[in-house]
Amino acid sequence: DIQMTQSPSSLSASVGDRVTITCQASQDINIYLNWYQQKPGKAPKLLIYDASNLETGVTSRFSGSGSGTDFTFTISSLQPEDIATYYCQHYDNLPLTFGGGTKVEIK
Amino acid sequence: QVQMVQSGAEVKKPGASVKVSCKASGYTLTSYNISWVRQAPGQGLEWMGWISGYNGKASYALKFQGRVTMTTDTSTSTAYLELRSLRSDDTAVYYCARGGGVSGWCLDYWGQGTLVTVSS
Repeated sequence: DIQMTQSPSSLSASVGDRVTITCQASQDINIYLNWYQQKPGKAPKLLIYDASNLETGVTSRFSGSGSGTDFTFTISSLQPEDIATYYCQHYDNLPLTFGGGTKVEIK
Repeated sequence: QVQMVQSGAEVKKPGASVKVSCKASGYTLTSYNISWVRQAPGQGLEWMGWISGYNGKASYALKFQGRVTMTTDTSTSTAYLELRSLRSDDTAVYYCARGGGVSGWCLDYWGQGTLVTVSS
């Protein structure tokens, strides 16, 4: 199975800050990576697919980049409504696996 | 609009089985696969397996093989997850999710989740 390592596991930042989360795959996964946002008590929401493509209707504050084994998710200007846990997920092969998550809080 | 509506919370005893339903609307079930993902309390997301909406073929994560069955009923646009021989560590919220995108592996619509509690 491909292991997905996310860092940091949590972060605290101020409104307006640029926030970056990284995700490393245990082997080359090309661009087969998605990012999700999960708010407390809610289902995950797809934000980014194919490593860098913004899902329809998702704010352009969110962006993704990377290929191979190293990926980055960025919030360009943190807003209060961005408070959530973010997960990466590969789909290079089965089983699909998720990163451990990054909890984003407001400082 | 696309919606995935799951059945309500369940409380089961160890050793019992549970069957969770996921009714899809706003799209044709046979055009997409469905994945099942679970989340234990305070933990991350764990993919359990998927089922083809087209032909009902299912594939399960190794961890769940022998204990899980995923099915679909195209007449009612409903997918089902059955988990048997429940243990306390099966306590989790179970989600169904549509496999969208060109690959079919971008989980673009999710159900609201079904809490399954396993307790004696």
